[in-house]
Amino acid sequence: SQQGEEDPQALSIQEGENATMNCSYKTSINNLQWYRQNSGRGLVHLILIRSNEREKHSGRLRVTLDTSKKSSSLLITASRAADTASYFCATDADSNYQLIWGAGTKLIIKP
Amino acid sequence: DGGITQSPKYLFRKEGQNVTLSCEQNLNHDAMYWYRQDPGQGLRLIYYSQIVNDFQKGDIAEGYSVSREKKESFPLTVTSAQKNPTAFYLCASSWRQKNEKLFFGSGTQLSVL
Repeated sequence: SQQGEEDPQALSIQEGENATMNCSYKTSINNLQWYRQNSGRGLVHLILIRSNEREKHSGRLRVTLDTSKKSSSLLITASRAADTASYFCATDADSNYQLIWGAGTKLIIKP
Repeated sequence: DGGITQSPKYLFRKEGQNVTLSCEQNLNHDAMYWYRQDPGQGLRLIYYSQIVNDFQKGDIAEGYSVSREKKESFPLTVTSAQKNPTAFYLCASSWRQKNEKLFFGSGTQLSVL
């Protein structure tokens, strides 16, 4: 079952610009996580936001969570070429300790 | 350095053959997971284990088998019953009962000859 839906599917921006990607989900959650995946590599955990939090920052990353709209956004400020990757959201709604993953947003930073 | 190691990076399977993907971690994590990733899609859970000698099926366990004889190791066997095995396989680990901050290996690309 796929709960997370990222939007857009692909995003191409100039280096230095901000990148925003969104994640929507269907059921109540305890937390939502964002991960990055470079091409042909494993995923790297970026940030976790709990259901009682509305915003969280980590370096150039800013994550918001709106539980009333069942959505989250990931903002990357001052993008760099190294930010080129796919970004996935994952929610923990499943009671069997399973994470539910979206299909990802492919971000391309043009130099 | 603590981490999670998958091998091999590339693997080819012949018709009717079973193949085993290796996953080792030295993070002292109790929980380990196997995911399958198809192009342009999210991750789908194959199997997970929260403790040694115990594991549970995920959403797409058919055609796969696992073992967890040691805390550090969680090998995945893709059996001949899996008719569409071509995919990118990812192993991950985390603290027990903490489905948070998964650490991933670098993946194994399995292809059918």
